[in-house]
Amino acid sequence: SYELTQPPSVSVSPGQPASITCSADKLGSRYASWYQQKPGQSPVLVIYEDNKRPSGIPERFSGSNSGDTATLTISGTQAVDEADYYCQAWDSRSPVVFGGGTKLTVL
Amino acid sequence: QVQLQESGPGLVKPSETLSLTCTVSGDSISNSYWSWIRQSPGKGLEWIGYISYSGTTNYNPSLKSRATISVDTSKNQFSLTLTSVTAADTAIYYCARAMTLASRYCSGGRCYWFDPWGQGTLVTVSS
Repeated sequence: SYELTQPPSVSVSPGQPASITCSADKLGSRYASWYQQKPGQSPVLVIYEDNKRPSGIPERFSGSNSGDTATLTISGTQAVDEADYYCQAWDSRSPVVFGGGTKLTVL
Repeated sequence: QVQLQESGPGLVKPSETLSLTCTVSGDSISNSYWSWIRQSPGKGLEWIGYISYSGTTNYNPSLKSRATISVDTSKNQFSLTLTSVTAADTAIYYCARAMTLASRYCSGGRCYWFDPWGQGTLVTVSS
């Protein structure tokens, strides 16, 4: 089966950029989306179609997707960005597949 | 502003059927695709399935035909039933609007992403 692999955790200092990766075979040939989930809350879409931001999502969130890796980048990370982040794409058996999630810690 | 609200029993016995309803406000159920997604305690997200505005459904193969999603346009609601539940089906169940894009770079020619999501409802499977 097609698996989206994310690092379990990423740490970043406030004000620094944070990058969260999502890897799978030829992922760059598929559109990727990203979700933010804070403790006790439902997920929120932050990036779709690789690099598009929904209205209301701060400009510091950006996305890219090339080769085998999609990347969510948060420029100037803030304490409020501390959350779990999930990537999402598709595979040949299912139109929706999620990555295992990455816990972003802002130290 | 589109809002979704899940409702249904919080406790279901093993081998019985889980039934949940999602009430949509701010958008017509006939305008979009709608989906169910679940999250086991402390775990990641698992897509369950979607229903389109025309009634077409698609499900996660891993659920082995136990899931059914239906729509009630008169109430602007859509529902999930999951049969023969076990403890492994204990999870927070979310409903969400599925946004779509037609593209040859997508499974079956269409890609999906989810926005917004409901607040989620915890369903525990236990006797």
